[in-house]
Amino acid sequence: DAGITQSPRHKVTETGTPVTLRCHQTENHRYMYWYRQDPGHGLRLIHYSYGVKDTDKGEVSDGYSVSRSKTEDFLLTLESATSSQTSVYFCAISESGFRQTYEQYFGPGTRLTVT
Amino acid sequence: ELKVEQNPLFLSMQEGKNYTIYCNYSTTSDRLYWYRQDPGKSLESLFVLLSNGAVKQEGRLMASLDTKARLSTLHITAAVHDLSATYFCAVDDLAITSGTYKYIFGTGTRLKVLA
Repeated sequence: DAGITQSPRHKVTETGTPVTLRCHQTENHRYMYWYRQDPGHGLRLIHYSYGVKDTDKGEVSDGYSVSRSKTEDFLLTLESATSSQTSVYFCAISESGFRQTYEQYFGPGTRLTVT
Repeated sequence: ELKVEQNPLFLSMQEGKNYTIYCNYSTTSDRLYWYRQDPGKSLESLFVLLSNGAVKQEGRLMASLDTKARLSTLHITAAVHDLSATYFCAVDDLAITSGTYKYIFGTGTRLKVLA
């Protein structure tokens, strides 16, 4: 199994509070991704990173920010949590090459509930 | 905007029967990925299809890719209960501004195999 961990695994928070989710990898892969999974929507990309301090937005980035100060860590922050951000969040990693993509490996997920 | 559509969204089938899941996409990518997700679990990679005409098989599952038709199929032969899961296809998408790749997922096909 690819070495990907997410923390916390479960979190309940109140509307308006900031929340940070952490993804940690031991594979030294260049790319890291944050997705949210909601019924009827599949997986939707929030943000991704293609290197230390290099990030880009996905399709549902509003209300989220990310940071990557080390290859192994990718943080997702909800600046002011809202009930619409209640979801299961998955981190994924993949390798990269010139004009080549690779399969992704997923972390175990974080279930976030905003009350 | 890149779209990835799967059908059916839900499939209930009897053990021993055959069926096909379809994945249509709107980009010109030559690469497509299939993942499996068990209830309450993370996603795991099933197949990586890297070129037109690619065919991969694992047990009772076979995936193929037709890049000209922008179509991938996941065929199930003689279904068994253990295949019950949600299956996702994903396509890579080049971000022009950064020259990096992200992935777009279909909404998933929830498969239930009845004994």
